[in-house]
Amino acid sequence: SQKIEQNSEALNIQEGKTATLTCNYTNYSPAYLQWYRQDPGRGPVFLLLIRENEKEKRKERLKVTFDTTLKQSLFHITASQPADSATYLCALPFSGGYNKLIFGAGTRLAVHP
Amino acid sequence: GAVVSQHPSWVICKSGTSVKIECRSLDFQATTMFWYRQFPKQSLMLMATSNEGSKATYEQGVEKDKFLINHASLTLSTLTVTSAHPEDSSFYICSATASGGVTGELFFGEGSRLTVL
Repeated sequence: SQKIEQNSEALNIQEGKTATLTCNYTNYSPAYLQWYRQDPGRGPVFLLLIRENEKEKRKERLKVTFDTTLKQSLFHITASQPADSATYLCALPFSGGYNKLIFGAGTRLAVHP
Repeated sequence: GAVVSQHPSWVICKSGTSVKIECRSLDFQATTMFWYRQFPKQSLMLMATSNEGSKATYEQGVEKDKFLINHASLTLSTLTVTSAHPEDSSFYICSATASGGVTGELFFGEGSRLTVL
């Protein structure tokens, strides 16, 4: 069955540094991959989508890569700020269900001043 | 971006009672809405897919008679937790897609935290 893995350990970094989060998946070849941000007690907020034929996608300080050979996506936040502290979720469409998403457990990022 | 509103944001109920959670798309029509459940420090788990005017499709392991879903209009889906028990206590989140938006992008409600005593 489809499986998504994200670092369960929290990532602590210093303000101004680049945060890099990892998402690995198995038993699957998704047409696209998405990243969401979730703050405590709130619903997730969409950040970026990257398709299988795209290697890299950028949006302001965010950058996502998608390696379909390694079955891995990397999510980067450059010049990180304390306001970037949140849990970041990786999501893939269910096999056969284009808009149905399966989510990873998320990685909690803490940016310290 | 598209806005999805959920109500109530939190609810406490006694064991054995039923609770209804509403999910509304405020500025777009949502032919499909999804209901997720999230336990503390865990991932969002898809419970069911709700299609306007038809029966919901439930994921494996989700009891359709316990979690009643109604999607009567293009802007409203409801989830009713029937005969709630403490193990049903969780964070319930709805989401919807908007036509014309980014393919696959989901807009989420703020979530409803259910506590069953």
